[in-house]
Amino acid sequence: DIQMTQSPASLSASLGETVTIECLASEDIYSNLAWYQQKPGKSPQLLIYYANSLNDGVPSRFSGSGSGTQYSLKINSLQSEDVSIYFCQQNYDSPWTFGGGTKLELK
Amino acid sequence: EVQLVETGGGLVQPGRSLKLSCVASGFTFSSYWMYWIRQAPGKGLEWVSSINTDGGSTYYPDSVKGRFTISRDNAENTVYLQMNSLRSEDTATYYCAKDREGEGYFDYWGQGVMVTVSS
Repeated sequence: DIQMTQSPASLSASLGETVTIECLASEDIYSNLAWYQQKPGKSPQLLIYYANSLNDGVPSRFSGSGSGTQYSLKINSLQSEDVSIYFCQQNYDSPWTFGGGTKLELK
Repeated sequence: EVQLVETGGGLVQPGRSLKLSCVASGFTFSSYWMYWIRQAPGKGLEWVSSINTDGGSTYYPDSVKGRFTISRDNAENTVYLQMNSLRSEDTATYYCAKDREGEGYFDYWGQGVMVTVSS
């Protein structure tokens, strides 16, 4: 199985700040990667697919990048509504696997 | 508006069975792959099963293979998850999810249903 390792596990940032979350795959996943946001008590929502494609309705302050085994999610100008847990997911090979999550809080 | 509504969760003893249902609306259900994904309390996400558009192909991770069965009724816009031989480690919130464009990205999720396996 492909292991997905996210860092950091938790992150505290101020409003307006730029934050970056990393996701490392145990093997090359050829940009077959998604990012999800899970707000407290809610279901996950798709933010990014194919590593850098923004899903419909997602604010442009979110962006994804990366290739091979290393990927990142960047949030520009952090807003209060961005407080969430963020998960990466690979769909290159079955079983599809998720990272352990990054909990983003406001400082 | 896309909606996915799961039902059927609850408390069940180890070794027993439970069947989850997910009713879909707001899109052409028969045109999309569907999935079940679970999240143990305070933990991360785990893909549990996939089913193609006509129900002829299904997929599972080793952790549930042989115990769980996904199925669908396109006339009723419903996807099911039959869970047999339940274990304590199956305790989780189970989400039904819709595929974005046949790639294995989950663009809509239900609200989730809690399954607790305990004696």
